[in-house]
Amino acid sequence: DAGVTQSPTHLIKTRGQHVTLRCSPISGHKSVSWYQQVLGQGPQFIFQYYEKEERGRGNFPDRFSARQFPNYSSELNVNALLLGDSALYLCASSLFAGGLAAFFGQGTRLTVV
Amino acid sequence: AQSVSQHNHHVILSEAASLELGCNYSYGGTVNLFWYVQYPGQHLQLLLKYFSGDPLVKGIKGFEAEFIKSKFSFNLRKPSVQWSDTAEYFCAALSNFGNEKLTFGTGTRLTIIP
Repeated sequence: DAGVTQSPTHLIKTRGQHVTLRCSPISGHKSVSWYQQVLGQGPQFIFQYYEKEERGRGNFPDRFSARQFPNYSSELNVNALLLGDSALYLCASSLFAGGLAAFFGQGTRLTVV
Repeated sequence: AQSVSQHNHHVILSEAASLELGCNYSYGGTVNLFWYVQYPGQHLQLLLKYFSGDPLVKGIKGFEAEFIKSKFSFNLRKPSVQWSDTAEYFCAALSNFGNEKLTFGTGTRLTIIP
């Protein structure tokens, strides 16, 4: 069985640009959560989606947005990139809502220059 | 504010030594607790979780953790570590009040010397 897949694996962007990160959950999982992991820190919660609706939002600016599609895959969008947005972005999926991010993807390493 | 603290930033042990990694949380109500492991170059994996019931929880790869409510702690233990346990370990908490989100600690880097 395929695990949680994220694309791309690595990305380099310039300040001010926009980025879209993608996540495909494990088959049958309806909940997707996004986390930001800055080097040397634990993951920080950004969003959770369940059944295509936002169920939770962390303390991130409005430049961060996300959505979930009918097939339960998800996109994380970040506008007006800042150097501080450089991080590993993790997607996690679970069967149900509740933030029980049991299965994580490998992440997308975003570098903003 | 809800928070999770891991006071050991880097732990170095020899193979066969016993391991205990500290985790403290600050939540006012019911809380679910987790330990995740991140091996070098790999994704985060769930080691074990506590929801309710027996406060001693057994996970994969011989790890266990004990929930002590009076101390707001959920320490991770393993009686005899192996070189393959070298990894980053994260404690996380989920509060049943408010946002349904996992709050992670800053992680503990564990290095096992053969």
